[in-house]
Amino acid sequence: AQTVTQSQPEMSVQEAETVTLSCTYDTSENNYYLFWYKQPPSRQMILVIRQEAYKQQNATENRFSVNFQKAAKSFSLKISDSQLGDTAMYFCAFMKQRGYGGSQGNLIFGKGTKLSVKP
Amino acid sequence: EAQVTQNPRYLITVTGKKLTVTCSQNMNHEYMSWYRQDPGLGLRQIYYSMNVEVTDKGDVPEGYKVSRKEKRNFPLILESPSPNQTSLYFCASRLDSNYGYTFGSGTRLTVV
Repeated sequence: AQTVTQSQPEMSVQEAETVTLSCTYDTSENNYYLFWYKQPPSRQMILVIRQEAYKQQNATENRFSVNFQKAAKSFSLKISDSQLGDTAMYFCAFMKQRGYGGSQGNLIFGKGTKLSVKP
Repeated sequence: EAQVTQNPRYLITVTGKKLTVTCSQNMNHEYMSWYRQDPGLGLRQIYYSMNVEVTDKGDVPEGYKVSRKEKRNFPLILESPSPNQTSLYFCASRLDSNYGYTFGSGTRLTVV
């Protein structure tokens, strides 16, 4: 079974600085997707960034980038130029890639990291 | 606007009183899923559906039912709610395995 571990329950960062959130996962699969979701106080789940395991290039979305280390099963999220609106819970998630049948479509979530951006 | 719509957003009910949380998506997605979120546990899948009339259990299905009679709708049914089902519930949908999920706004359920 797949597991996702986020070892930092809480983090804080000063506005405009850079912060990195850690995520490790365990799987025997070779093809899969990894995601970071953001959950602000409004509780809406918002997709931040997505990485396909077969791609060596790290995904980037504006101020958000990942460091994907497939051999180490590590998938960290870097937030540059942190803004007050980045304050949220961040969840790392794993999904098998093999069509979309059955449990292969299930997102396996970590327990989350609560990020506070301080002015 | 492409979205997943859940109702209600908040619900307080008593033990044993049947309830339904509705979920509808307007993106023609085939795959839909229900998750519950509890503090310290992240999100866990309750049930999922790969298409109309095709549903299956996720990781925590006990005490829940679902149906998928139409592609856009995927209601979650609690036949006899209990206090341990007090949680934040999310419905989500996606087109296929190449895409991430789109989540609804969540339903905060309290069972007293």
